[in-house]
Amino acid sequence: AQKITQTQPGMFVQEKEAVTLDCTYDTSDPSYGLFWYKQPSSGEMIFLIYQGSYDQQNATEGRYSLNFQKARKSANLVISASQLGDSAMYFCAMRGSGGKLTFGQGTILTVHP
Amino acid sequence: GAVVSQHPSWVICKSGTSVKIECRSLDFQATTMFWYRQFPKQSLMLMATSNEGSKATYEQGVEKDKFLINHASLTLSTLTVTSAHPEDSSFYICSATRTSGSLLRAKNIQYFGAGTRLSVL
Repeated sequence: AQKITQTQPGMFVQEKEAVTLDCTYDTSDPSYGLFWYKQPSSGEMIFLIYQGSYDQQNATEGRYSLNFQKARKSANLVISASQLGDSAMYFCAMRGSGGKLTFGQGTILTVHP
Repeated sequence: GAVVSQHPSWVICKSGTSVKIECRSLDFQATTMFWYRQFPKQSLMLMATSNEGSKATYEQGVEKDKFLINHASLTLSTLTVTSAHPEDSSFYICSATRTSGSLLRAKNIQYFGAGTRLSVL
């Protein structure tokens, strides 16, 4: 069975500063993918970044980077230079061999001006 | 822009009626689509996997006769909530997998629709 854990129900950050959202996972699949999605109050799920289990380098997409530590089974999302529009719910998810996504509980990020 | 379109974005219906929600992949073919349900401030719960040309696979505890899924084409899956009741009120969201990259380093990204807020009176 796969499990994703996000231990931070809520996080606060000052505008223009960096913030790290934590995600740990557990799986017995040798090959898996890790994802981060952003869900603003409108409800849509916006894909942010992807990390494959065999990828040698940490994924980066603009202001988003994924701190992938395979031995620790963690896949933390780092948002640099936070903006007010970054305020949203963030979900970490994992896809295993079955193709389904397993989501964490989510972290509500609030960016203060 | 959006790669998955979901319609309607919100719907209010009377108890006992049926509601159909559409999910379309806009510029790619999706042999598999997924339907999720989400309660306020909670995570997404997978309801079923929709497979083009075959029966959907439902997660444990999801009533297949209550939530009818039809995946009639490579770009369209529909979820019908039959005989809706107030407890079916929720946010329903679909996703489709788009594959990019080479065969060895394929990235199968699930893209989501904007979701449908269902309120049953």
